[in-house]
Amino acid sequence: EIVLTQSPATLSLSPGERATLSCRASLIVRSYLAWYQQKPGQAPRLLIYDVSNRATGIPARFSGSGSGTDFTLTISSLEPEDSAVYYCQQRSNWQYTFGQGTNLEI
Amino acid sequence: EVQLVQSGAEVRKPGESLKISCKASGYSFTNYWIVWVRQMPGKGLEWMGIIYPGDSDTRYSSSFQGQVTISVDKSISTAFLQWSSPKASDTAMYYCARKNDYDAFDVWGPGTMVIVSS
Repeated sequence: EIVLTQSPATLSLSPGERATLSCRASLIVRSYLAWYQQKPGQAPRLLIYDVSNRATGIPARFSGSGSGTDFTLTISSLEPEDSAVYYCQQRSNWQYTFGQGTNLEI
Repeated sequence: EVQLVQSGAEVRKPGESLKISCKASGYSFTNYWIVWVRQMPGKGLEWMGIIYPGDSDTRYSSSFQGQVTISVDKSISTAFLQWSSPKASDTAMYYCARKNDYDAFDVWGPGTMVIVSS
């Protein structure tokens, strides 16, 4: 099973700043990697799939990159509504795993 | 509109069987895998298992194998998650979601809160 480790655990930034969230895999990710946003009391929402593709309706300030074992979610110019927990997720041999999450405070 | 509607909150005593549901609409139910995800209070997301409604092919997380059963009823476009003997440690929010062709979960239900307490 591939373990995903996200860093930092908590990130505190101001509106307009750039956020960089990291997701590191214990083994090379050979399939797809996705990112989700979860706000308090809500279900998660898909932001990015296949490393760098934005899901339907996701603003262009969200972007994903990376390969192998290191992946990044970047939010180019933070808005107050971006406060949330962000998770990365992958699949390996029919076992799906999530990272432990990064709590982004604006 | 593509959506997943989950059954309401449940309260059970330990050992009392439980089955929660996830009804799909707005798309071809049999063509997309459905996953179940657990979120314990204040914690992160845990993948439990996945089922393909077209033929009921089911895979479980090694952490949940033998602890829960995932099933579908194609006639009503509904997936199910059930426990035969839930424990207090099963208290959590449970989400169903649809898997897309890129192994990402693109449509989520609102979640079902399950409380197991004596």
